[in-house]
Amino acid sequence: KAGVTQTPRYLIKTRGQQVTLSCSPISGHRSVSWYQQTPGQGLQFLFEYFSETQRNKGNFPGRFSGRQFSNSRSEMNVSTLELGDSALYLCASSLRQGTYNEQFFGPGTRLTVL
Amino acid sequence: AQSVTQLDSQVPVFEEAPVELRCNYSSSVSVYLFWYVQYPNQGLQLLLKYLSGSTLVKGINGFEAEFNKSQTSFHLRKPSVHISDTAEYFCAVSPFDGQNFVFGPGTRLSVLP
Repeated sequence: KAGVTQTPRYLIKTRGQQVTLSCSPISGHRSVSWYQQTPGQGLQFLFEYFSETQRNKGNFPGRFSGRQFSNSRSEMNVSTLELGDSALYLCASSLRQGTYNEQFFGPGTRLTVL
Repeated sequence: AQSVTQLDSQVPVFEEAPVELRCNYSSSVSVYLFWYVQYPNQGLQLLLKYLSGSTLVKGINGFEAEFNKSQTSFHLRKPSVHISDTAEYFCAVSPFDGQNFVFGPGTRLSVLP
């Protein structure tokens, strides 16, 4: 069974631009969660999508948004990029809704904002 | 709100020695507890989790953890480590309603030959 895939793996953007990251969950998994990992703040929960609906949301500004498609694939969008948005963005999938379920993580997308 | 503390940011240990990685949490509601491992340049992998039942939880790769409700701790242990255990270890909590997921800052375990 293929694991969670994230594209692209690396991305360089400049301040003010917007970016879209993609995540394909494990086949059959319907929940997708997104996390931001930085050296200063560590791992922080962004949001969880299940059945195309955002179910849970972390404490991030509205510039961070996402969506989920009918095939459970998910995209995360960050608008008006700031230097502080440079981070590793991790996507995780699980069978059921709720972050207490076992999550399977992708390798991440490393975003650098210049 | 929940918070997780991992007191040791780095733990060096010799191969075949035992190790304990400490995790304490704070929460106003009941939580589930997790340990995840992150190998260099990879995503996270679940080591073990405590949902209910026996407070001693066994996970993959010979790791185990014990939930102590009175001390709000969930320390991770392994009786004999290998070089391949070198990685970053994250303790995490999720409230029962699964509405959030909070990671600790991580502990970098370095196994020395």
